Amino acid sequence: NAGVTQTPKFRVLKTGQSMTLLCAQDMNHEYMYWYRQDPGMGLRLIHYSVGEGTTAKGEVPDGYNVSRLKKQNFLLGLESAAPSQTSVYFCASSYDSLLAYEQYFGPGTRLTVT
Amino acid sequence: GNSVTQMEGPVTLSEEAFLTINCTYTATGYPSLFWYVQYPGEGLQLLLKATKADDKGSNKGFEATYRKETTSFHLEKGSVQVSDSAVYFCALKVKAAGNKLTFGGGTRVLVKP
Repeated sequence: NAGVTQTPKFRVLKTGQSMTLLCAQDMNHEYMYWYRQDPGMGLRLIHYSVGEGTTAKGEVPDGYNVSRLKKQNFLLGLESAAPSQTSVYFCASSYDSLLAYEQYFGPGTRLTVT
Repeated sequence: GNSVTQMEGPVTLSEEAFLTINCTYTATGYPSLFWYVQYPGEGLQLLLKATKADDKGSNKGFEATYRKETTSFHLEKGSVQVSDSAVYFCALKVKAAGNKLTFGGGTRVLVKP
């Protein structure tokens, strides 16, 4: 039972380059989320999806795009990377957004933009 | 808006010591409260939760009580182990905010043998 997986685990980009982070879950969850984690700031929501084919902005969406073409996958794209996007990125999924349902997190992707 | 404030770390203590991590919140609406734990090199895992006032969440020897009057959800453990070394995050969910999680800044705990 893999749960939530993220690809890649580490990446170094130069300013202006683009990349896509892949999140996959095998729990048949409807909801998926992308967060970034920066020192002392906890996790901040970038974008989220409430089901296949849907996406919505979170707290810090600028500079990122997302797609949810298949229920089990949620992609996070950086079209033109900036040093301010150096961070650890976490994907999460949940069965529903209701209070009783917890979010399950992936192991994270550490991204450095030089 | 919604926010969560945690004590800053790192918190360093010896094995078998008592651990308290303070967490206070502000919320527009009636929140559910959570503690997540992040072990080195891993993603976050739910440690415990409480969904209404005076509820006590507990797991793995950790406890936290939802105190509406003081808007707090402090995490405690009576006797920590080296394996409890991790970063602990307090978080809340409010229905009015679409049930999205709002996290505190995290508290790093280091337990020495």
